[in-house]
Amino acid sequence: EIVLTQSPGTLSLSPGERATLSCRASQSVTSSYLAWYQQKPGQAPRLLVYDASSRATGIPDRFSGSGSGTDFTLTITRLEPEDFAVYYCQQYGTSPPVTFGPGTKVDIK
Amino acid sequence: QVQLVESGGGVVQPGRALRLSCVASGLTFSNYGMHWVRQAPGKGLEWVAVIWYDGSNKYYADSVQGRFTISRDNSKNTLYLQMNSLRAEDTAVYYCARASGSSGWYYSDYWGQGTLVAVSS
Repeated sequence: EIVLTQSPGTLSLSPGERATLSCRASQSVTSSYLAWYQQKPGQAPRLLVYDASSRATGIPDRFSGSGSGTDFTLTITRLEPEDFAVYYCQQYGTSPPVTFGPGTKVDIK
Repeated sequence: QVQLVESGGGVVQPGRALRLSCVASGLTFSNYGMHWVRQAPGKGLEWVAVIWYDGSNKYYADSVQGRFTISRDNSKNTLYLQMNSLRAEDTAVYYCARASGSSGWYYSDYWGQGTLVAVSS
């Protein structure tokens, strides 16, 4: 089973700053089948990025994903107030069908 | 637009059973794999189970294997999760989520709002 590790656990930043979130896999992720989700309190997760670097429909271009193999990154170039949330990575290429990372909380400094 | 609406959650005693439902609309339900994902209070997301578009394949997390059963009725656009022998650690919000393809090897592009299951005596 692929284990995903996210770092940092919490990222304290100010609006307008750049956020860099890391997701590391215990083994290579098949075909870069890695997604990123955003979750706000009391809400369901929302898909941001799939296949490591493809933005989902309607996601602003300040969100970008990169990486391959075992190391992946989600970058938010300029944080907007609505971006403060928890972010999860997920792999979906290797059995069990999907696994999630523990999440990174981006909060207001 | 795609909508997924879960129901069936509630408070249940340890060892009892509960069945969750997820009704889908705005999509051709029978074309897509479907997941159940849960989130314990204050915790992260945990994948629970997946079913292929036609019900031909099902996979479960180790934590629920042998106790939970995922199923679907494509004629009713409905996904189910039968949960037996419930434990306190099954307490969570349960989300249904659409896989972006026909099998389970896809990310989830649509999610329901979740239904809360609380296992307590």
